[in-house]
Amino acid sequence: QKEVEQNSGPLSVPEGAIASLNCTYSDRGSQSFFWYRQYSGKSPELIMFIYSNGDKEDGRFTAQLNKASQYVSLLIRDSQPSDSATYLCAVKDKGGSEKLVFGKGTKLTVNP
Amino acid sequence: EAGVAQSPRYKIIEKRQSVAFWCNPISGHATLYWYQQILGQGPKLLIQFQNNGVVDDSQLPKDRFSAERLKGVDSTLKIQPAKLEDSAVYLCASSPSSWWTAGNTIYFGEGSWLTVV
Repeated sequence: QKEVEQNSGPLSVPEGAIASLNCTYSDRGSQSFFWYRQYSGKSPELIMFIYSNGDKEDGRFTAQLNKASQYVSLLIRDSQPSDSATYLCAVKDKGGSEKLVFGKGTKLTVNP
Repeated sequence: EAGVAQSPRYKIIEKRQSVAFWCNPISGHATLYWYQQILGQGPKLLIQFQNNGVVDDSQLPKDRFSAERLKGVDSTLKIQPAKLEDSAVYLCASSPSSWWTAGNTIYFGEGSWLTVV
């Protein structure tokens, strides 16, 4: 069973700080990596995806991928209270499989 | 564009009873997924359909869970008999074929919350 590991947290940061969320995966052949945000009682929503080694920036969010270390991270700059949620790391199986394998999620709280 | 529809949203049943959840995916999406999310955990794939065929049901507890997708559109997930550990949110999701090649994603419904007492 392919595994995706995340620190369950909770992670607490003050408003305006940088929040750093980390994820490791077991299958070296994995090709695509996703970060979902899930507010309490709501369904997951995609916020970032990354396929290549390096950094990918989208507004206040930066995803970082290091395939050699099998490590994915998400940085949230200028954290806002509205960023308080659980962040799920997901990895797509290699090849034609369309399924995503999710980590347990990291609960982030941004304190005003 | 209408999202993934699920019903019922909430259900409370006693152990050993049965329950069924319904899902209507986004129009035109060939792939439909049922995920189980236990409180404090990430979603776990139970079953994946491509049109009306099963692609992956390796983590479906087949002694009590069943699912079908008739005519390649709507899907039903059934649990019979339910156990206490089945208490979870059942998330239906859908996606276009080869969604990752177009920078797309899978889209989740709001979920069906099941409590088994």
